[in-house]
Amino acid sequence: DVKVTQSSRYLVKRTGEKVFLECVQDMDHENMFWYRQDPGLGLRLIYFSYDVKMKEKGDIPEGYSVSREKKERFSLILESASTNQTSMYLCASSSGTEDNEQFFGPGTRLTVL
Amino acid sequence: AQSVTQPDIHITVSEGASLELRCNYSYGATPYLFWYVQSPGQGLQLLLKYFSGDTLVQGIKGFEAEFKRSQSSFNLRKPSVHWSDAAEYFCAVGKAFGYSTLTFGKGTMLLVSP
Repeated sequence: DVKVTQSSRYLVKRTGEKVFLECVQDMDHENMFWYRQDPGLGLRLIYFSYDVKMKEKGDIPEGYSVSREKKERFSLILESASTNQTSMYLCASSSGTEDNEQFFGPGTRLTVL
Repeated sequence: AQSVTQPDIHITVSEGASLELRCNYSYGATPYLFWYVQSPGQGLQLLLKYFSGDTLVQGIKGFEAEFKRSQSSFNLRKPSVHWSDAAEYFCAVGKAFGYSTLTFGKGTMLLVSP
């Protein structure tokens, strides 16, 4: 089974802190994605990556950056956390070569105080 | 631009009753369609997917969906709902092959009454 893991289920940070959310997949997938999920807004794509060291902006990249140094790991970085970044963050991966089904991690609920 | 509309934000169904969740999509090419389910505080789990072939697709947990190209719809159905089906359901569309993101609907929250 594909497994996507996220480093924390719950995280509480203060405004202005630098925050790292880590995501690891174990199926050698090419593509990885970061979403944020807010009530009534569904899933919104922040960034995605088609290959190591490659990144593409999604629909709402402002205030975020990403890093993909290894194929299995995709990190989301909040350079200076703000209260409006309080949200559920979901990581996903997909093969990309044969099938675009995305496999999701359990999510990280981030609260910025 | 591709888009997905789930017209119902909330639906309440009695346990044992049938269920239909609606999904309409807009996509310029042959769509690859998905239904995911999310239990409270969890990630998304795939229920079923459709790219080609039989337009009635069977998924896990007794769910099925029917693709209707003429109506640009991919509605999810279940003949008899169980209390454990209470969750949020997301429809998504993307490209079948090659590099592709998915576009998700805003979700439908299913409540199951006793």
